[in-house]
Amino acid sequence: GQQLNQSPQSMFIQEGEDVSMNCTSSSIFNTWLWYKQDPGEGPVLLIALYKAGELTSNGRLTAQFGITRKDSFLNISASIPSDVGIYFCAGQLRDSGGGADGLTFGKGTHLIIQP
Amino acid sequence: NAGVTQTPKFQVLKTGQSMTLQCAQDMNHEYMSWYRQDPGMGLRLIHYSVGAGITDQGEVPNGYNVSRSTTEDFPLRLLSAAPSQTSVYFCASSGNLYNEQFFGPGTRLTVL
Repeated sequence: GQQLNQSPQSMFIQEGEDVSMNCTSSSIFNTWLWYKQDPGEGPVLLIALYKAGELTSNGRLTAQFGITRKDSFLNISASIPSDVGIYFCAGQLRDSGGGADGLTFGKGTHLIIQP
Repeated sequence: NAGVTQTPKFQVLKTGQSMTLQCAQDMNHEYMSWYRQDPGMGLRLIHYSVGAGITDQGEVPNGYNVSRSTTEDFPLRLLSAAPSQTSVYFCASSGNLYNEQFFGPGTRLTVL
């Protein structure tokens, strides 16, 4: 099946710092999504990307759909304590003919903010 | 709108027992799916449905059954629970296959 490599696995940063994480794939995706998961909760969608090269912002968050369609990154500017959590990338091949047509998830980036 | 709801929130089973995890959504979404989340593995797709009466297998379907008799409900059945099925299970829905998916709060299952 499709594989997503998400990095880094964890990040320890100071409040106010900028954060950058990325996902790469061995396969092409038509959709890239970024989710955040808080402890004991389900993932919550942050940003959705539908076109290669697309750059989209949501407040302090910015994500880009790589031009090769095999990668995406998420940046968080001026981190605050509530940014703590696990961030997941997810890809979807829109026109797949069969098999797993749901989302393929990366293994997550644990963001820890030190006071 | 309640969004995506899941019951129970927690469940403990003995090996060999069967049970059904419930999932419902009130957004009139056609697409629903089930994922399991294990430490260090991210979320993996178990089964999905593109509409009432239509289901298909995901990446890890073995040991699970699903049905979609209504648009709103998408239950996940464990036929004979095994310790390897200890996990957190998430149900998700979206307007169609290609839209962003909204997740429920999860069911934490332990199989002894």
